[in-house]
Amino acid sequence: DGGITQSPKYLFRKEGQNVTLSCEQNLNHDAMYWYRQDPGQGLRLIYYSQIVNDFQKGDIAEGYSVSREKKESFPLTVTSAQKNPTAFYLCASSVPGTGNQPQHFGDGTRLSIL
Amino acid sequence: GQQVMQIPQYQHVQEGEDFTTYCNSSTTLSNIQWYKQRPGGHPVFLIQLVKSGEVKKQKRLTFQFGEAKKNSSLHITATQTTDVGTYFCADPNTGNQFYFGTGTSLTVIP
Repeated sequence: DGGITQSPKYLFRKEGQNVTLSCEQNLNHDAMYWYRQDPGQGLRLIYYSQIVNDFQKGDIAEGYSVSREKKESFPLTVTSAQKNPTAFYLCASSVPGTGNQPQHFGDGTRLSIL
Repeated sequence: GQQVMQIPQYQHVQEGEDFTTYCNSSTTLSNIQWYKQRPGGHPVFLIQLVKSGEVKKQKRLTFQFGEAKKNSSLHITATQTTDVGTYFCADPNTGNQFYFGTGTSLTVIP
């Protein structure tokens, strides 16, 4: 079955540590997205990528970094500069272009600070 | 950036009662999408509305796009416990970004 796989499901970060969240898709989608969701809140866009080797900042990119070396993969690094990283992180993909395509989401990664 | 507001933020209903969530945009939308997120889960696409004044139905769910394409609503008739979750509207068209609404969390009391 085609889909999006996020790993790990749960992640704990120590002070001053960088951690990387994995997102892999086999839907052959060009566009991929990372969102942050805080308890009882909506989805806020961190980074998005419309094509391999290109990505743009979303509304809350500070303290995060991404890469897009392969179409299937869009890992997110939560750096030590992100002072409040505890949240639910969701990766999504879609067919880019006209904005008429839905987003498909992974199961998410819950990140907590130790 | 784009603002997509939803009201109410929370709604508790008795099973069998109706439920409505409203989505309002600060700008005119080309189209609007609706998603449902079950507790502990991820958002799942429900439907897309494109035309001014469009109304679409999925069983007990009725989706409407405003005439001015700046607002939308989702109405659930005779709620069931399976309807529990958070419902989001989304603007998929502003600068290649998706802007999700703030969401309405629905609790259904058996």
